[in-house]
Amino acid sequence: GAVVSQHPSWVICKSGTSVKIECRSLDFQATTMFWYRQFPKQSLMLMATSNEGSKATYEQGVEKDKFLINHASLTLSTLTVTSAHPEDSSFYICSARDLIGTGVQETQYFGPGTRLLVL
Amino acid sequence: AQTVTQSQPEMSVQEAETVTLSCTYDTSESNYYLFWYKQPPSRQMILVIRQEAYKQQNATENRFSVNFQKAAKSFSLKISDSQLGDTAMYFCAFIENTGNQFYFGTGTSLTVIP
Repeated sequence: GAVVSQHPSWVICKSGTSVKIECRSLDFQATTMFWYRQFPKQSLMLMATSNEGSKATYEQGVEKDKFLINHASLTLSTLTVTSAHPEDSSFYICSARDLIGTGVQETQYFGPGTRLLVL
Repeated sequence: AQTVTQSQPEMSVQEAETVTLSCTYDTSESNYYLFWYKQPPSRQMILVIRQEAYKQQNATENRFSVNFQKAAKSFSLKISDSQLGDTAMYFCAFIENTGNQFYFGTGTSLTVIP
């Protein structure tokens, strides 16, 4: 099946610093990737849709200047949390759809997630 | 607006028994896809089962099967012969045939008791 990786899996940073999270589709090309945020014992909240070669589409209430998304290739999307603060501490998950290959196009394949702790 | 509702925040089942997790959804579309994802303590989201709305036959994957009732907009997940490794959060999800966004339910926390 399609595999999506995320790096790093864990990050602890000081308040005010920026953190970059990478999301890679390992065995398929993903024109579209998605970034979610998940609080403990809650569902996934879509933050933005990342489109290869174009600007990301952000959900209402998500600050695009705070959460910078870059999707420069068909296998890589990055989320940068700028000037992170303790309230940004959360679990961030990316997903991708295999819209080009022979995989099931409607299915989203998820990365393992990144735990961010801002001190 | 599309919504997905999981009315059971927590459930438990004895090992080797059968449990059913419920999910209802709301859409005006006729073509869409439904999914059950599992999120174990590792928090990796794992696809459990997938159903196309145009197919009347209920999807099955080994011990996992669904009861898809299109008219009622219901999509329940049945887990047979429950195993300890089935302990996880289970999310029901929905996407329109022409859409790009997944809609997730709030999740059901399932605990399998030895």
